[in-house]
Amino acid sequence: SAVISQKPSRDICQRGTSLTIQCQVDSQVTMMFWYRQQPGQSLTLIATANQGSEATYESGFVIDKFPISRPNLTFSTLTVSNMSPEDSSIYLCSVDPYGGDGTGELFFGEGSRLTVL
Amino acid sequence: GENVEQHPSTLSVQEGDSAVIKCTYSDSASNYFPWYKQELGKGPQLIIDIRSNVGEKKDQRIAVTLNKTAKHFSLHITETQPEDSAVYFCAASKEGPGGYQKVTFGTGTKLQVIP
Repeated sequence: SAVISQKPSRDICQRGTSLTIQCQVDSQVTMMFWYRQQPGQSLTLIATANQGSEATYESGFVIDKFPISRPNLTFSTLTVSNMSPEDSSIYLCSVDPYGGDGTGELFFGEGSRLTVL
Repeated sequence: GENVEQHPSTLSVQEGDSAVIKCTYSDSASNYFPWYKQELGKGPQLIIDIRSNVGEKKDQRIAVTLNKTAKHFSLHITETQPEDSAVYFCAASKEGPGGYQKVTFGTGTKLQVIP
C-alpha cells in the first residue's frame, strides 16, 4: 500500500495567481499521477510524473498551465498557473506502488480543494 | 480512447436494501475493472476489482460482475448500511506505457443509504 499526503488540503485563490500543490508518498514510487476532479464530476488525468524525466500530459492539459516537478521518488508538485474560476476543482495525487508487477490499484491522497475567485 | 459510462448518477436506498451500479466500457483491450469509493473530503479508495478472465467476484457484502462480451460490469452492495453512503466510481483499465495501467474513470454514483 501507500500513504499519500497532500498540501494544502484546501485554499481560496485570486484570479491570475498561481498555486503549488505538494504530494508526499511514504514509499518510493516510479510514477505519480495528478488528477483533477471538478465539482460533482469524475476524475480526469492531468499528467503522469516520472522521476528524472519530464511529465507526460494528457490531451487538453499543457505544461505552461500545469507545470509539474518530480525531484525524487517520494515527492511531486503540481502548479496551477494563472488561475481562473474554471480551475476551481479538487486536485488529487495518486500512485501505483506496485508498478507493472502489480494489480493496477491506485492509491490517492485526500486531495487539494481549490476555489478561485 | 476508452469511454466509461456509469449509471445511475444518484441512488437512494433504505438501510438493509441492495444497491446496484452499472458501467459500460468501449475498449475491448481493457482488462482490469476496479471500483473506488470516495467519502466526503477524502480521496478515492479501492473497494473491489475484477479482471477480464473472471466473471464474478465477491467480498462480504459487495460483489462485482463482468460481462466481457457485452462490455459491461456492475457493483452490487447487499444489506446496505449508512456508512456505505459515498460516491462510487467504476473504472476500466489497460496496460499503458512502462507497464502501468492506464485508467479511465466513470462519472460516479452518489449513493445515499437512508437509516
